[in-house]
Amino acid sequence: GAVVSQHPSRVICKSGTSVKIECRSLDFQATTMFWYRQFPKQSLMLMATSNEGSKATYEQGVEKDKFLINHASLTLSTLTVTSAHPEDSSFYICSARMWGINEQFFGPGTRLTVL
Amino acid sequence: QKEVEQDPGPLSVPEGAIVSLNCTYSNSAFQYFMWYRQYSRKGPELLMYTYSSGNKEDGRFTAQVDKSSKYISLFIRDSQPSDSATYLCAMGGRGSQGNLIFGKGTKLSVKP
Repeated sequence: GAVVSQHPSRVICKSGTSVKIECRSLDFQATTMFWYRQFPKQSLMLMATSNEGSKATYEQGVEKDKFLINHASLTLSTLTVTSAHPEDSSFYICSARMWGINEQFFGPGTRLTVL
Repeated sequence: QKEVEQDPGPLSVPEGAIVSLNCTYSNSAFQYFMWYRQYSRKGPELLMYTYSSGNKEDGRFTAQVDKSSKYISLFIRDSQPSDSATYLCAMGGRGSQGNLIFGKGTKLSVKP
């Protein structure tokens, strides 16, 4: 149980394009989803927290107009990197949490490379 | 002082050794503690979850929490090459708005 999927697992795009990453909770309802990014040999950096049906809460320094987050249902959240640039290249990981529990369950991650 | 401190390693041990991984924290409001394992280029996988001082055992893994010292540990007995990964501690509670605060992770390598 508590399986989270992400799609795509890997994406390569040209600078200036937008990329959408999907995060799905497969066997539970995720009232809260989190988006992280991770640079090589670094820890997870929380980008934003989203509750189903509400606007995402972004961490300090994360541009909300650049990283658009939508959490339209209890099983799906999307992260759109708009006008991607090479410095946005990173490993993006989502996690999901059920109502009433503290554990976060992570997706397998999406490796974004912007050329 | 960072909220969570974790030695990044790398830590290299022979197969069968007992591994001790540790984190210290500064926020006494943290109430729950987790250990995640992350293989290269994969998402973190939840290994252990505890919310009280003391020990919790699950197979070869034992999580230990000492709230008075603000110190948590993960012990791995009879370590295997498949345990080679990065281990992240995480914690949360009052003052973290429901978010998890992660350590930097310790990279473990178990040599056959």
